[in-house]
Amino acid sequence: EVQLVESGGGLVQPGGSLRLSCAASGFTFSTYWMNWVRQSPGKGLEYVATIKQDGSETSYVESVKGRFTISRDNAKSSLHLQMNSLRAEDTAIYYCVRERGGRYWGQGTQVTVSS
Amino acid sequence: DVVMTQSPLSLPVTLGQPASISCRSSQSLVHSDGNTYLNWFQQRPGQSPRRLIYRVSNRDSGVPDRFSGSGSGTDFTLKISRVEAEDVGVYYCMQATHWPLTFGGGSKVEIK
Repeated sequence: EVQLVESGGGLVQPGGSLRLSCAASGFTFSTYWMNWVRQSPGKGLEYVATIKQDGSETSYVESVKGRFTISRDNAKSSLHLQMNSLRAEDTAIYYCVRERGGRYWGQGTQVTVSS
Repeated sequence: DVVMTQSPLSLPVTLGQPASISCRSSQSLVHSDGNTYLNWFQQRPGQSPRRLIYRVSNRDSGVPDRFSGSGSGTDFTLKISRVEAEDVGVYYCMQATHWPLTFGGGSKVEIK
């Protein structure tokens, strides 16, 4: 059974940092593109970042470029999102998603940016 | 970015009756490889999104056959042949042809 379990969310002040993690199991992690997708009441669902199987290619939505970094550790079947210079508009539930087509989603982790 | 526009925003349906959701993209979703990467998702209250349909009309495993997808180019439709109580939730279309991948704003299906 495919499982994606996110962690690392929480409350952080504007300008602060957080590192999200996703533990994957039930499939061969190294053979899939992986993604972070967020959901907020104001902006709906939004693809944040994507990373190729071997980590050689990454892409980001314009609003997070230069602030967020997606990475992966295939040996540990884990996905990460380093989020710096956080803003109020980054407040959302962040989902770990397998494949660019969105086949499997984790349960999400809440990130709240507020003073 | 490709804008995905869904209608209606809200869809009250009687149990056992059909339902239809429209999705339009601001540009063609035909990829250079010839495929059209248009997917449909269901999000039940309190749950993560779940993919129902990929590449316009292919049902994911475990998805009831009352769900079907159709369309081409920039116009797409999700149909539920006979709505059941478990179908209540918000439905989203998503394009995976152009980066950044983008979602529609959602269509809420509720029971009358």
